[in-house]
Amino acid sequence: SQQGEEDPQALSIQEGENATMNCSYKTSINNLQWYRQNSGRGLVHLILIRSNEREKHSGRLRVTLDTSKKSSSLLITASRAADTASYFCATTSMKIQGAQKLVFGQGTRLTINP
Amino acid sequence: DAGVIQSPRHEVTEMGQEVTLRCKPISGHNSLFWYRQTMMRGLELLIYFNNNVPIDDSGMPEDRFSAKMPNASFSTLKIQPSEPRDSAVYFCASTPRTSGYNEQFFGPGTRLTVL
Repeated sequence: SQQGEEDPQALSIQEGENATMNCSYKTSINNLQWYRQNSGRGLVHLILIRSNEREKHSGRLRVTLDTSKKSSSLLITASRAADTASYFCATTSMKIQGAQKLVFGQGTRLTINP
Repeated sequence: DAGVIQSPRHEVTEMGQEVTLRCKPISGHNSLFWYRQTMMRGLELLIYFNNNVPIDDSGMPEDRFSAKMPNASFSTLKIQPSEPRDSAVYFCASTPRTSGYNEQFFGPGTRLTVL
C-alpha cells in the first residue's frame, strides 16, 4: 500500500522562483527521505530527516517534518533549469533483520521554465 | 567509484520468453532492493535482501517472478514467462552496512518491453 502521497502531482515555475512540494503519509515513521529522478535515470537521494527533527537544510534544499500532521515539505530555493525532475518522498517505518524498507510516494513532476 | 550497475539497460522481448535482469550493488553494501516503476503504479518494492538473504518478497507480483542473490556482488531478477503487463523500468538499489537508516543508491534501471 502506498505510504507517501506528494502534492502537487505536477508543478511548473519560472527559473529563480522557489518550488515547494508536499508529502503526506499514513503511519508512524522513523525517518523520511526525499529523492530526485531525472527523466530516464535512477533515483538520487537528496536529504533525510529523522522523526525527531523538524527542519533540515542542505544547500538550496529545505525540508520540514510535522509528525503530528504526518506531512513533510521540500522547498527548493532559487530554482534552476537543472532542477527539472520528479521528486519523491519515501518513508521508513521499520527495520527488519538489519534492512530498511522504503515506501515511495507517486512523486511530483517539477518543471523549471527558463 | 562505480555505482550500482544494472544490465541490460534495455530489453525487448516477446510474451512468453524468459527475462533475466542483473544487478551489481556497490561494493561493501549489504542490502539490495529490486523495484518496478510504471506510470500507473509508480515505484513498487518487489523484494529486498540483507546479507544475501531475502527478507521480504511480498511485493513480488506473481510466481512468474523470482530473485536470487548468490553472493554479495550479484543479484538477478527473473521473469518466466514474461507478459506484456510486465513492461516497466526495473531498478536495483543498495545500501551500506551501518547501524542507522541510510539512503538507497539506485542503479540506472532496466527498461523492459514485453511485446
